[in-house]
Amino acid sequence: DAGVIQSPRHEVTEMGQEVTLRCKPISGHDYLFWYRQTMMRGLELLIYFNNNVPIDDSGMPEDRFSAKMPNASFSTLKIQPSEPRDSAVYFCASSRPRGRALSTNEKLFFGSGTQLSVL
Amino acid sequence: RKEVEQDPGPFNVPEGATVAFNCTYSNSASQSFFWYRQDCRKEPKLLMSVYSSGNEDGRFTAQLNRASQYISLLIRDSKLSDSATYLCVVKRGNKLVFGAGTILRVKS
Repeated sequence: DAGVIQSPRHEVTEMGQEVTLRCKPISGHDYLFWYRQTMMRGLELLIYFNNNVPIDDSGMPEDRFSAKMPNASFSTLKIQPSEPRDSAVYFCASSRPRGRALSTNEKLFFGSGTQLSVL
Repeated sequence: RKEVEQDPGPFNVPEGATVAFNCTYSNSASQSFFWYRQDCRKEPKLLMSVYSSGNEDGRFTAQLNRASQYISLLIRDSKLSDSATYLCVVKRGNKLVFGAGTILRVKS
């Protein structure tokens, strides 16, 4: 089975530009999470979706960040305008096959991440 | 104060050594506990869950002390391939909260 697929793997952009990160979760998983990882702050949860609906976006740093999940197989994280402090690795993760008990939510399957550099 | 605290290390140990990592969490509402492993420039992957009674998976032993809000991971007979960052993780509601990780370097 294909794992979580993220694109692009690397993104270099200039301050002020719009950045869109993409994620395809594992088929059948109904939870999708966006994390950001930096040396200073470690892995931080930005937002998560359940059945395509955003449940908790309290980790989104500010209004420049937005995330959507238009269907069960696709999600985007957008930064507009981007700033140098947004430079990080952004991970998408999915979990919980449909129909399983809630307790199986714990194991997250991560994508390979997008290394974002904002100059 | 971070919700999940870990010693960042690095822990530099020879092959065959036993090494232990500790982790503390601040939210007593945390429900479940895990160790994830992250190799350099890779994504985190689940290593093992941590149960109240303690649990073992081969060379790895995890312990949980809910009263002290403390989690540990013990690795016996370290291998070169164990070199990685070990992330302590707590579950609160549907959210997994990650510690910043402890770096382990196993040397021959």
